[in-house]
Amino acid sequence: DSGVTQTPKHLITATGQRVTLRCSPRSGDLSVYWYQQSLDQGLQFLIHYYNGEERAKGNILERFSAQQFPDLHSELNLSSLELGDSALYFCASSVLSQGYNEQFFGPGTRLTVL
Amino acid sequence: GNSVTQMEGPVTLSEEAFLTINCTYTATGYPSLFWYVQYPGEGLQLLLKATKADDKGSNKGFEATYRKETTSFHLEKGSVQVSDSAVYFCALSEPGGSYIPTFGRGTSLIVHP
Repeated sequence: DSGVTQTPKHLITATGQRVTLRCSPRSGDLSVYWYQQSLDQGLQFLIHYYNGEERAKGNILERFSAQQFPDLHSELNLSSLELGDSALYFCASSVLSQGYNEQFFGPGTRLTVL
Repeated sequence: GNSVTQMEGPVTLSEEAFLTINCTYTATGYPSLFWYVQYPGEGLQLLLKATKADDKGSNKGFEATYRKETTSFHLEKGSVQVSDSAVYFCALSEPGGSYIPTFGRGTSLIVHP
């Protein structure tokens, strides 16, 4: 158990819909990262938050957004869903935003868009 | 930019065989290097790490040595078990900037009894 929790574990929805994925980092970790994992694209970095502030964006679509709340949990919002958005979505947390970056991953949310 | 290249899988071995998964990297500075493992249905877990040249990371019988001269961080294990079947990801993280790790595409390992 990494100490990172993600809900829900599975999500099935239809095209055009909007969903919210939730992540709670390990106690004490200020950084949260979101990743998308699919068979064809591998593990893709989406976005990084540190102590409530957005720090870096990766390959995140404009239809996707995220935030980190004062209690440090984070939500990833996916809207106008397309079939191609079906993937595993992981969040990871780490204690530092400086220095080498050991990340602790949650179990993931499997999103299926029908 | 930074990049990590891993050998393509799947790698299929019999139990007790020797394992090598190749990883090479490109980085502008002096990165830290990692191997993560993803068991079926789970998230990634850190397997081992090395933070400077010639360091050897080791854990659970797995080893990898940070070779700056060849920009490599190959994963090895002397005798694999069925329970080692998983996907292995090589990654680097470079101090400075946003410290976003760069991951390889992953190498699937299948170990048969």
